[in-house]
Amino acid sequence: AQSVTQLGSHVSVSEGALVLLRCNYSSSVPPYLFWYVQYPNQGLQLLLKYTSAATLVKGINGFEAEFKKSETSFHLTKPSAHMSDAAEYFCAVSRYNQGGKLIFGQGTELSVKP
Amino acid sequence: NAGVTQTPKFQVLKTGQSMTLQCAQDMNHNSMYWYRQDPGMGLRLIYYSASEGTTDKGEVPNGYNVSRLNKREFSLRLESAAPSQTSVYFCASSQGTGEVSPLHFGNGTRLTVT
Repeated sequence: AQSVTQLGSHVSVSEGALVLLRCNYSSSVPPYLFWYVQYPNQGLQLLLKYTSAATLVKGINGFEAEFKKSETSFHLTKPSAHMSDAAEYFCAVSRYNQGGKLIFGQGTELSVKP
Repeated sequence: NAGVTQTPKFQVLKTGQSMTLQCAQDMNHNSMYWYRQDPGMGLRLIYYSASEGTTDKGEVPNGYNVSRLNKREFSLRLESAAPSQTSVYFCASSQGTGEVSPLHFGNGTRLTVT
C-alpha cells in the first residue's frame, strides 16, 4: 500500500530564509510524486511533479524538490522565503495507471515572518 | 477559463437532510474526482470517474453517491447527512488515468452538518 508522511504540521520561517518541507513516502512500486499548494479559501494548485525523468524537479514560484529513492523522500525547498509563500502544502503519491487517485499527506502549514 | 467550478460554496444542513454538490469542468478532461479535506488528515478520495459513464469508489465512499452526468459534470450526493460529513469538499479533474496528469481543483464547498 502507498502512503505519505509529512513531517511537521506547521513550519515557520523568516522572510528570506530557506524553506524546507519534508515528505516521506512508501510505495511498493516506483512512485509518482507531487507537491500541491493551497492558499486560504482556495483549491489546491500543482507546484511540481516527479515522474522519474529527473530526480531534481523544479516547480513554480522558485520551489524545487529532490527525489531520493534511498531515503524514500521528496522534500520541498525554496532558497529564500517570501511573504506570499504562506500557505498549506501537500505532498501526494500515485502510481502509473492510477492517474488522479492520489494519496495525500496530512499537509504542512507554512508561515513566513517579516 | 473557469477551470473547475463547484456549487454551492457554503452549505449548512441538519442531520438527515440530503443535498447534491455540483461540479463542472471546461477543460475537456476525461477524469473527475471528489475529495474531502479534514484538518490534519489531508485530502481523501471519496469517488472518482475515470471516464464518462464510469464511476468507482475511493478511500471513503460510505454515505455518498455520485453521478457522472456527462463529460463536463460530476455530482456528489449526500442522501442522509451526518455530522461526520462536516468537511470541505473538493472536486478535481485530470486529462486521464493512463498518464499521470496533474489534478485541477475547484475552490471547494464548505459543508456543515448540525
